[in-house]
Amino acid sequence: DAKTTQPNSMESNEEEPVHLPCNHSTISGTDYIHWYRQLPSQGPEYVIHGLTSNVNNRMASLAIAEDRKSSTLILHRATLRDAAVYYCILGSSNTGKLIFGQGTTLQVKP
Amino acid sequence: DAGVTQSPTHLIKTRGQQVTLRCSPKSGHDTVSWYQQALGQGPQFIFQYYEEEERQRGNFPDRFSGHQFPNYSSELNVNALLLGDSALYLCASSLVGTADDLRGQFFGPGTRLTVL
Repeated sequence: DAKTTQPNSMESNEEEPVHLPCNHSTISGTDYIHWYRQLPSQGPEYVIHGLTSNVNNRMASLAIAEDRKSSTLILHRATLRDAAVYYCILGSSNTGKLIFGQGTTLQVKP
Repeated sequence: DAGVTQSPTHLIKTRGQQVTLRCSPKSGHDTVSWYQQALGQGPQFIFQYYEEEERQRGNFPDRFSGHQFPNYSSELNVNALLLGDSALYLCASSLVGTADDLRGQFFGPGTRLTVL
């Protein structure tokens, strides 16, 4: 299983953009890049996923490097409710086995 | 529309006992996955059930077994409990092969198991 590397923690101010990085230098050609987040006392929730092109949805944007060895999850305006652990996960399927790492704990300051 | 539900919420057992955890998937979903999350760690994949059969399995011993019923609900059984089995057990459901799978897996709130 391909491995991802994320910073242990990050801080952001409320209503400012947040860029959460993820390195995945051993990504294979068929691996999608998935992001999930886990709010306190809840199960993880899907945020976004992509293969090669940048992706946008109502929650966030995903910027994927041209060589696909890194990606960045972008929260355009952080709110206090975005404080969570964010996981970057590689996998060939969005509904199959998910291999979670340690994730990045995001703190949002008012 | 009810999401993924799990029962019980909390459970306390002693070493050597057996436990059964239950999961009802999101309405319309046919695939159930189970994860174990130790304190301060990311979830670890245990196994996945589809069409009442185990389809994928993670690196967990045979003490961990499961079942999926015709209504797609699922059970996770753990035998001969060890102290190290204390964790949050998460169930996730999905619907493979449709536009819904673009939204990934939907997780329940988990069952907190404490083994004394």
